[in-house]
Amino acid sequence: AQKVTQAQTEISVVEKEDVTLDCVYETRDTTYYLFWYKQPPSGELVFLIRRNSFDEQNEISGRYSWNFQKSTSSFNFTITASQVVDSAVYFCAPLDTDKLIFGTGTRLQVFP
Amino acid sequence: DVKVTQSSRYLVKRTGEKVFLECVQDMDHENMFWYRQDPGLGLRLIYFSYDVKMKEKGDIPEGYSVSREKKERFSLILESASTNQTSMYLCASGGQGPVEQYFGPGTRLTVT
Repeated sequence: AQKVTQAQTEISVVEKEDVTLDCVYETRDTTYYLFWYKQPPSGELVFLIRRNSFDEQNEISGRYSWNFQKSTSSFNFTITASQVVDSAVYFCAPLDTDKLIFGTGTRLQVFP
Repeated sequence: DVKVTQSSRYLVKRTGEKVFLECVQDMDHENMFWYRQDPGLGLRLIYFSYDVKMKEKGDIPEGYSVSREKKERFSLILESASTNQTSMYLCASGGQGPVEQYFGPGTRLTVT
């Protein structure tokens, strides 16, 4: 079964700072998938990225980037030049069959 | 545009009442899920369904049941609501295989 740890419960930064959200996962599978979701104050979870275990290339999408390291079982998420609109709870979630296994999330607060 | 809707954003019920939470998706997805979200616990899977009339227990099914009579609709039922079922309930749908899930806006249920 999959398991995920997001050790940072809450992070506060000032706008324009870079911030990295950590995600450590456990799996016995050789093929697996990892997801990141954002939950803004409105409450609805928004899909950000899916990564499979075959592809260790880092991914960049605008101010967002993801660093996938199989050797350390980590899939960290970095926001560059953070903005107030980035304030949300962020979840890392490995996939177990068709089920997402959510961690406790990291609450990010970006202050102006 | 992808859409998952939930019947209510906020709901207040009394202990012992039977409660129905409805979820509808318009993406023709096979899979549908019900989660509850509590502070410090992240999202926990209650039930999921791979197809019409099929259901599988998640991690915390006690006190809940589900119904999926049509592909687009997945209902969560609290047979006899209790105060410890006060929570945010999130519905999601997804296609088959390792793909993202799409979430509804959530229902904040208070049982008094």
